[in-house]
Amino acid sequence: DQQVKQNSPSLSVQEGRISILNCDYTNSMFDYFLWYKKYPAEGPTFLISISSIKDKNEDGRFTVFLNKSAKHLSLHIVPSQPGDSAVYFCAARTGANNLFFGTGTRLTVIP
Amino acid sequence: DAGVIQSPRHEVTEMGQEVTLRCKPISGHDYLFWYRQTMMRGLELLIYFNNNVPIDDSGMPEDRFSAKMPNASFSTLKIQPSEPRDSAVYFCASVSGADEQFFGPGTRLTVL
Repeated sequence: DQQVKQNSPSLSVQEGRISILNCDYTNSMFDYFLWYKKYPAEGPTFLISISSIKDKNEDGRFTVFLNKSAKHLSLHIVPSQPGDSAVYFCAARTGANNLFFGTGTRLTVIP
Repeated sequence: DAGVIQSPRHEVTEMGQEVTLRCKPISGHDYLFWYRQTMMRGLELLIYFNNNVPIDDSGMPEDRFSAKMPNASFSTLKIQPSEPRDSAVYFCASVSGADEQFFGPGTRLTVL
């Protein structure tokens, strides 16, 4: 059973606008959340993370928001750029090192 | 460092054949993970090792799958016999401690 869910398989956004990617989880024991970005024919690369003791983490154009009561997190990219077009995976872990991944959201930024 | 290295990058085989995927983790990393990516289930953890010892293999789908890590710089994932439903992209990742995992480029497996 999927403990991490990304219900939107794809998202298209105009260049310069905000991209919002969503992720839901079911396991309340998750204490650390990550976003990975994946280009075709490459492995996923780490983008940004957030600990469960925080509700927001920002890194340049990327911000991750965590709503623990709703078991929901989101990744905001602003402004979106064509180079951001990729598949984005949400992941979560408990105290151990193994990650639980969502199915991914394909973001297309239209120039 | 060259990053996580996987070979082959592409593998096409016929049903019933043995397939061996290889991974060289980043030097100094003490955890190694094998994942499988499919459209339906995204990235699934198959097995992971800590200091060359398998810690959790609950994600290995069937007895046809096996993984080994004979030393800190090499791991294999073997499928014997292979089936068409095993077609997927297989990723290896490594990490030191509780840091973020670094992924290899993946092996695209096609079983005809």
